[in-house]
Amino acid sequence: EIVLTQSPATLSLSPGERATLSCRASQSISSDLAWYQQRPGQAPRLLIYDASNRATGIPARFSGSGSGTDFTLTISSLESEDVAVYYCQQRSLWPRTFGQGTKLEIK
Amino acid sequence: QVQLQESGPGLVKPSQTLSLTCSVSGGSVSDGPYYWSWIRQPAGRGLEWIGRISSSGSANYHPSLKSRVTVSLDTSKSQFSLNLNSVTAADTAVYYCAREIIGGPPEYWWDPWGQGTLVTVSS
Repeated sequence: EIVLTQSPATLSLSPGERATLSCRASQSISSDLAWYQQRPGQAPRLLIYDASNRATGIPARFSGSGSGTDFTLTISSLESEDVAVYYCQQRSLWPRTFGQGTKLEIK
Repeated sequence: QVQLQESGPGLVKPSQTLSLTCSVSGGSVSDGPYYWSWIRQPAGRGLEWIGRISSSGSANYHPSLKSRVTVSLDTSKSQFSLNLNSVTAADTAVYYCAREIIGGPPEYWWDPWGQGTLVTVSS
């Protein structure tokens, strides 16, 4: 089973700042990675798929990069609505697995 | 725009069977090709994929749950279901249903999701 390790566990930034979230896979997964946003009390929402493609309706301030074992989700300019837990997920090998999440707080 | 909605008992006794249904609106479970999945999230913890079924009825499951899980399709009602037997407190979680598109972006990723339903296993 592929283990995805996300860092940091919690990130606290001010509005307008840049957020950088990391996801590391225990073995190479090519570009078979997605990022999901889970706002408080809500279901997860697909943000980024295939490592770098934004899902429909996702603002341009969200971007994804990486391949192999190291991936990054960047939020270029934080807004209050970005408060959420962000999960990475791989589909390279069964069973599909998620990272443990990064909680993003706005100061 | 397709929407998914989970339903089922919020409380299940230990050793019994957890049964949930996901209703699909704005489309049909037999449209596709799609895969229809169940994913769960224990309180304060991460997400775990449980199993999925294709629009043609082919299912596959998480290896750790395979002996206890069945996912099935009801095309007449545009629903799919989850049965998890011999439950314990460790199965207490919010259960989500979700769709995967095949053959077009975002291919093989979960989008959209239902809002989730909390199931507690307790006597």
